[in-house]
Amino acid sequence: SQQGEEDPQALSIQEGENATMNCSYKTSINNLQWYRQNSGRGLVHLILIRSNEREKHSGRLRVTLDTSKKSSSLLITASRAADTASYFCATEHSGNTPLVFGKGTRLSVIA
Amino acid sequence: KAGVTQTPRYLIKTRGQQVTLSCSPISGHRSVSWYQQTPGQGLQFLFEYFSETQRNKGNFPGRFSGRQFSNSRSEMNVSTLELGDSALYLCASSDFWGGETQYFGPGTRLLVL
Repeated sequence: SQQGEEDPQALSIQEGENATMNCSYKTSINNLQWYRQNSGRGLVHLILIRSNEREKHSGRLRVTLDTSKKSSSLLITASRAADTASYFCATEHSGNTPLVFGKGTRLSVIA
Repeated sequence: KAGVTQTPRYLIKTRGQQVTLSCSPISGHRSVSWYQQTPGQGLQFLFEYFSETQRNKGNFPGRFSGRQFSNSRSEMNVSTLELGDSALYLCASSDFWGGETQYFGPGTRLLVL
């Protein structure tokens, strides 16, 4: 299976702390994306990083990609209670193929 | 622009029945993808349509089918429902087909009794 794996499965932190989630995958990718899902709702796209990129930033989000290790990390800085959600990584493995989603990390930010 | 809309939002059916779910993509998007989300299996890709043609298909039985209309709206149908079909069904639209950024709708929660 090409499905990515997020680590940890669940994470609980205090408001203001940083949250780091990791994603590993098995075969080469064109791009890797991170999505957020609030309980029982649709997913919201956060950031896309292509295979030739190593790091991207968007507001309080920082994503890194290490293609040699087939892994990515998502860092949320200065977390807020509103960041409480599930976070998924998704990978495109070759041209025009559908995204493959991991099972997600459930983040709880405690006020 | 309005986001992706899905109807109905909630549905209760019994085993053996069939169901049709509808998805309207973001205006101008020609690709629509469908996913099934369950606690055990996570998000699983069902199929993707682009300009009324199925471009990609996931590993689901033939009971799951879909189509796309000329206005890019899409429907998926599940026939002979099974208890295991209970899930959140998510639709996503995109500018182009394949693995670019997906814009998701709120989902249809299906419960099969």
